[in-house]
Amino acid sequence: AQTVTQSQPEMSVQEAETVTLSCTYDTSESDYYLFWYKQPPSRQMILVIRQEAYKQQNATENRFSVNFQKAAKSFSLKISDSQLGDAAMYFCAYRGRDDKIIFGKGTRLHILP
Amino acid sequence: DADVTQTPRNRITKTGKRIMLECSQTKGHDRMYWYRQDPGLGLRLIYYSFDVKDINKGEISDGYSVSRQAQAKFSLSLESAIPNQTALYFCATSDWPGPGPNEQFFGPGTRLTVL
Repeated sequence: AQTVTQSQPEMSVQEAETVTLSCTYDTSESDYYLFWYKQPPSRQMILVIRQEAYKQQNATENRFSVNFQKAAKSFSLKISDSQLGDAAMYFCAYRGRDDKIIFGKGTRLHILP
Repeated sequence: DADVTQTPRNRITKTGKRIMLECSQTKGHDRMYWYRQDPGLGLRLIYYSFDVKDINKGEISDGYSVSRQAQAKFSLSLESAIPNQTALYFCATSDWPGPGPNEQFFGPGTRLTVL
C-alpha cells in the first residue's frame, strides 16, 4: 500500500525567507501524481502545486516550487519570499491509478514577522 | 457560488444520535469522496463514489454509511454517533478520467462534535 510521510510536524520561517517542507512516499506504481495542499485557518483545502510522475521537470507556481526526486521517492515543497499569508498546514498527497488520494499527516508552517 | 458545498458547517450532537452530513457539487463530476481530518493524522478516506451506482469503502468506513442521491449529491451518515467521531469532515469531487492530473476539489468542511 502507498504511504506518504511528512517528517516535520511544525516549521517556522522568517518573513521573506525561503523554507522547504519535506515529503517522502512509498509506492510500487510508476505512474502517479503528487500534490501539495494548503489548509489555512479557514480550514479550506487549497491546491498549491501538482506534479506528474512522468514529468522530469519540477513544477513551479509563482513562489512555490517542488523538488521531485522520483528514484528517491521524495517530493519537497519550497516556498520563496515567505509571506504572512503562507502560514497554514501543508499536506503532501499522492494519487495513484485507483484515484484515491493518500495524505501525509501535515506540516504546520509558522511565518515570523 | 462555491462549486462544492457542505451542510451543516458546524454541528454539535450527542452520543447515540443519528447525523447526516450533506455534500452538493455543481462541477458536474462523477466522482465524490468523504474524508475525515483529525489533528496529527491528516485526511483519511471514509467512502468514495465513482458514480451514482458505484460506492466503495475507504480506509475508515466503520460506523459510517453513505448515499449518492444524484450525481451532484453525496451524503454521509453516522447512524449512532460516538465521541471518537468528533472530527472535521470534507467532501471532495474529481473529474477523473478527464485530462490532466485530476485534482480533487474540496468543500469547506463540516466540524462535527459528538458529546
